[in-house]
Amino acid sequence: GNSVTQMEGPVTLSEEAFLTINCTYTATGYPSLFWYVQYPGEGLQLLLKATKADDKGSNKGFEATYRKETTSFHLEKGSVQVSDSAVYFCALRSKTGSARQLTFGSGTQLTVLP
Amino acid sequence: DTAVSQTPKYLVTQMGNDKSIKCEQNLGHDTMYWYKQDSKKFLKIMFSYNNKELIINETVPNRFSPKSPDKAHLNLHINSLELGDSAVYFCASSHENRGETQYFGPGTRLLVL
Repeated sequence: GNSVTQMEGPVTLSEEAFLTINCTYTATGYPSLFWYVQYPGEGLQLLLKATKADDKGSNKGFEATYRKETTSFHLEKGSVQVSDSAVYFCALRSKTGSARQLTFGSGTQLTVLP
Repeated sequence: DTAVSQTPKYLVTQMGNDKSIKCEQNLGHDTMYWYKQDSKKFLKIMFSYNNKELIINETVPNRFSPKSPDKAHLNLHINSLELGDSAVYFCASSHENRGETQYFGPGTRLLVL
């Protein structure tokens, strides 16, 4: 079955530090890959996505590249801000079959200190 | 102009009660989902409906029953609530033929005492 493994948190960084959150996946075929963000007390928002190998998703200074060879989709940002403090979820979705639900990683709590 | 809305936002109730959570989307999507987020933030699919038909029914107790009166609504009814049902429940929606991004509601925080 499908699965997503994320680096365990929590992660604490100082403002303007470089961020990497690792994500690897196991799936049949070539799924679509997503990063969702959950701010305190809110629902999940799509941050970025990539639907095929070598695609790079980007949004709000965050980037992630779909790496088929390493089955990875690591999230990066060059300079984090206090407002980036949130829980980040890596997820995948199969392109085939009737079950198209998202399979999530366990989430990584990020805290950015001023 | 909320895209995916849920009511109530908070729900505190006693063990053994029956409760419902409502979800509505105004995005014109044809597929809706319920996810459960536990205290460790882990998210897991519970149900999915496409055009009012159930297409995913993960291993959840049959005390949980989804109901979709139309494509824009997917409600979750829970019978005989147990302590372990305490969690945050998220509704989401997507359009199968126009991109696969799922849009999430704000969540319903259920606490069973």
